[in-house]
This record gives sequence, structure tokens and C-alpha cells, in this order.
Amino acid sequence: AQTVTQSQPEMSVQEAETVTLSCTYDTSESNYYLFWYKQPPSRQMILVIRQEAYKQQNATENRFSVNFQKAAKSFSLKISDSQLGDTAMYFCAFMSSGAGSYQLTFGKGTKLSVIP
Amino acid sequence: EAEVAQSPRYKITEKSQAVAFWCDPISGHATLYWYRQILGQGPELLVQFQDESVVDDSQLPKDRFSAERLKGVDSTLKIQPAELGDSAMYLCASSPTLGSGSTEAFFGQGTRLTVV
Repeated sequence: AQTVTQSQPEMSVQEAETVTLSCTYDTSESNYYLFWYKQPPSRQMILVIRQEAYKQQNATENRFSVNFQKAAKSFSLKISDSQLGDTAMYFCAFMSSGAGSYQLTFGKGTKLSVIP
Repeated sequence: EAEVAQSPRYKITEKSQAVAFWCDPISGHATLYWYRQILGQGPELLVQFQDESVVDDSQLPKDRFSAERLKGVDSTLKIQPAELGDSAMYLCASSPTLGSGSTEAFFGQGTRLTVV
């Protein structure tokens, strides 16, 4: 079974600054996907960024980028130029494509507060 | 923009009563998931459908929980009888057909269940 660990229950960052959220995972599979999802207060969870394990290049989406270290099984999220709207719970998630499961396994989340 | 619809948004029920949640996925999405999210934690998969078939319900407490997706479109999750420990957010998510190349899961706003 896969496990996802987020070691930072809460973090805060000043507006316009950069923050990095940590995530590690454990799997014996070689083909998988990693995700960061954002869950704003009282709103639905939305995808922030996705990384395919077979790709060496780190994914980037505007102000969001990841540092994917496959050998270390590490997948951190960097948010640049933090904005007040970035305040939310952030979940790291793993999806195996083996056996056709395509199920998401989530970490416990990191609560990010952006301070004006 | 298409969204996953869930109802009700909030539900308060007494223990030992029956409760049901409804989910309407994004049109054309063959895969539907029900997740349970306990406050302060990440979502955990309860059941996964592909069209009207159950792909995985290994984490569904079948003595009290049931889920169906009779026509392969909308879905109902039922709890009978409800217990105090069932208090949580119940999230529905959908995605295109397994293995289609699309791995993004789209989430609804959830149903917040409180058992008293």
C-alpha cells in the first residue's frame, strides 16, 4: 500500500514571499502520478499541479512549481509570490496507474496561511 | 464550467438513523469516487465506480454503508444506522474513463455530516 506523508501541519507566509510545502511518499511501483490539491475554506478541492513519475522535468504552473526527487521519494510544492487567495489546505496525493486502479491516496494536509 | 454536484451540503442526523448523500458527476465522466474526510485529515477512499460497476469498495464499511450508481451517472451513498464516528465530510469526485490518459479528479463541495 502507498503512503503519503506531509510533515508540516501548518505553515504561514507573508504576502509576495515564497513558501515550500513538503511531501514524501512510499511506493514500490514505478509508474505513478503525484499531485498537489488545494482545498480553500468551504470550497471544493481543486488540482494545483501534477507530475508524472516517468518525467524527470519538474512540473510548473504559473506561480506553482514542484521539486520531484524520485529516488528520495520526495515531492515538494513551491509557491512563489504568495497571494491571499493561496490561503487553503494543501494536500499531496499519489495515484498508481498499476492494475488500472487510478485511486488517489492523500496525505494529511498542510494548512497554509498567507499573511497580508 | 462543469462541476460535480453534491447534496445536501450539510446534514445533521441522530445516531441510529439512516442518511443518504447524492452526487451528480461531470457529464461524460465514467469514473466516480466517494471519499470520507475527517476534520483535519486528508480524504480516504470509500468506493470507486467505473460506469455502474464497483471497481473498489474494500474500504467501505459494508455493515452500515452502501453505494450505488445504477445507470452509471449519478450516485447515492447511504449510511444505516449512522454512528457518532461517521461525522465527517463526504466528498464525491469524478474523472474520465480509467486509463484514458486523464488523471485529474474533479471534486464536489462535499456533504458535511454531523451525527448527534
